[in-house]
This record gives sequence, C-alpha cells and structure tokens, in this order.
Amino acid sequence: DTGVSQDPRHKITKRGQNVTFRCDPISEHNRLYWYRQTLGQGPEFLTYFQNEAQLEKSRLLSDRFSAERPKGSFSTLEIQRTEQGDSAMYLCASGGGQNIQYFGAGTRLSVL
Amino acid sequence: AQRVTQPEKLLSVFKGAPVELKCNYSYSGSPELFWYVQYSRQRLQLLLRHISRESIKGFTADLNKGETSFHLKKPFAQEEDSAMYYCALVRAGTASKLTFGTGTRLQVTL
Repeated sequence: DTGVSQDPRHKITKRGQNVTFRCDPISEHNRLYWYRQTLGQGPEFLTYFQNEAQLEKSRLLSDRFSAERPKGSFSTLEIQRTEQGDSAMYLCASGGGQNIQYFGAGTRLSVL
Repeated sequence: AQRVTQPEKLLSVFKGAPVELKCNYSYSGSPELFWYVQYSRQRLQLLLRHISRESIKGFTADLNKGETSFHLKKPFAQEEDSAMYYCALVRAGTASKLTFGTGTRLQVTL
C-alpha cells in the first residue's frame, strides 16, 4: 500500500498517560496534516507541516499536544497527560500538488 | 472564519431515485470546495473538487457563489453510493487546512 499509513490503528490508554502516534505520508508529498474526528463530527484541523516546518496550529492543539516532522518525512503526534476528552479518531493526511489531501486510515484513541 | 454546513445528518433514498446532498459555506475570501466520501470500513477519500468540473461515479457538484452552496447531485442513486459524505473548504490558492462539514450519511435502499 503506497498510501498514507498510520500507526497504531487503535490505542487504549489510561487517563494521565502519554501517547504517541505516527504518520507516514505518501513519499513524494511535502505537506502533512493532522486532524481529529469525534463521533458525529467532521474532521477538525489540528496542525500542518510543509516539509519539516510546522506552518499552522489550531487553537484545538493545547499545550499537551505536540507534533513533529523532523526530517520532512514521517510525523509524530504526542499527547501528554491524556484526558477522556482526547478520545477520538486522529487522522493524518498528506498533499502534493493541486491542493488535494490524501488521508490515512486513522488512529482511534480511547482514554479510560 | 470559514464554516461549512451540511444540514442533513441522514438522507435515505430508494435505488434509482435522484440524490442531492446539501452543502453551504461561509467564507469571506475565495474558496475551493471539495466533496470527500467515506465508504464503510474505508478511509476518507476525495470524490470531487469544484475546479475540476468533472463527474465522478455519476456525481456532480456546482459551486454557486451567490447562494454560497456546493450541493452534490446524482440523478439515479445506486446501492454502492451508500456512504458518509463530507463537504470541505480550503482557501483557494493555498495548501492550507480543510474545513469540513459534519457530514451526511447517504443510505440507498432497494
């Protein structure tokens, strides 16, 4: 599969623990996006990278959230001190030309 | 701020009936509009974008700037069209974030 891949697919954690998700974009894409989706809602933007530079962050991204893309390839999203409200599907997307974003299958986070 | 509204959570139609999924947006600048679709147990994927002006799987959507709408239409629904449909907006000419609506579930029954 040469599409966007995300790992893990599911994560169950206890409140207060830290979690980290990984996203591998389509190899030739220089743009990478993170979104969060809760039940009954559309995806909501979290942050965006062009190559290794983080160009935009949503106000949804509290200081417990951090994202990196150190070499302009894969990206990680870390949530520290998880809360029950963090339970959601975390989606990664990558983009090349033409302003089209290609989505991964997502990581479903459950905080107990 | 940009906003996308999809007023229907669920749209149920019979096979062969016409389909119209509504999408309205608010944005002060020049938008680029998309429809994304998510079939059962599959990832979100692009269905069509307004600037390409093409028909995909029999679906079309026309951007109406006067009514700030981008409704998705298909003249004859098929069972395989059953899915979740999301309308989304991005600032034209940028590679910025997508702003999504809340989605409409299309259910096509026999």
